[in-house]
Amino acid sequence: GAGVSQSPSNKVTEKGKDVELRCDPISGHTALYWYRQSLGQGLEFLIYFQGNSAPDKSGLPSDRFSAERTGGSVSTLTIQRTQQEDSAVYLCASSLGGGDTQYFGPGTRLTVL
Amino acid sequence: AQSVTQLDSHVSVSEGTPVLLRCNYSSSYSPSLFWYVQHPNKGLQLLLKYTSAATLVKGINGFEAEFKKSETSFHLTKPSAHMSDAAEYFCVVRRVNRDDKIIFGKGTRLHILP
Repeated sequence: GAGVSQSPSNKVTEKGKDVELRCDPISGHTALYWYRQSLGQGLEFLIYFQGNSAPDKSGLPSDRFSAERTGGSVSTLTIQRTQQEDSAVYLCASSLGGGDTQYFGPGTRLTVL
Repeated sequence: AQSVTQLDSHVSVSEGTPVLLRCNYSSSYSPSLFWYVQHPNKGLQLLLKYTSAATLVKGINGFEAEFKKSETSFHLTKPSAHMSDAAEYFCVVRRVNRDDKIIFGKGTRLHILP
């Protein structure tokens, strides 16, 4: 069956530009997470959507980061005015419910020059 | 509050010898605990999970983990390492409340020596 998909798989951008990263969760999964993994670092939680509840944005590193989840399905992570320290792999995961096993997408590798 | 600590950032073992990756957690409530593996240039994959059933959990690829409440530990083990086990392993804790976000450990990189 279809898993979590993310696009693009790779994104190279110039410092100061805005980028949008997309995540298509598994159909029927109510929970959706965004993480990032910088080189040599563990996973860093960014934001969590659960059903119709207000998202948990506590992991967003700055106000340049935002995310939306439309219709309880597809999610977009937007980074405005990108900085070099934003370079990382951005991972999306979804789960059936908030406490259930997460299924990860392949990630988007973002490189900010 | 919850936290998870992976005690070793790197572990090296010889092929055919046992693997032990250590994880300690802190949780005010009964936790759900997971181990994920990430092979180079691949996405994360669930190895196993504990959700208050049997304390010894068996996962894929011969891995298992034991939940020890008295020690607040959830160490990952495998009797005999294989070269293909070389990867990064993440211990994850989540409170058994569906609205809580989860906490990832910083990861342990497992090296397998020939």
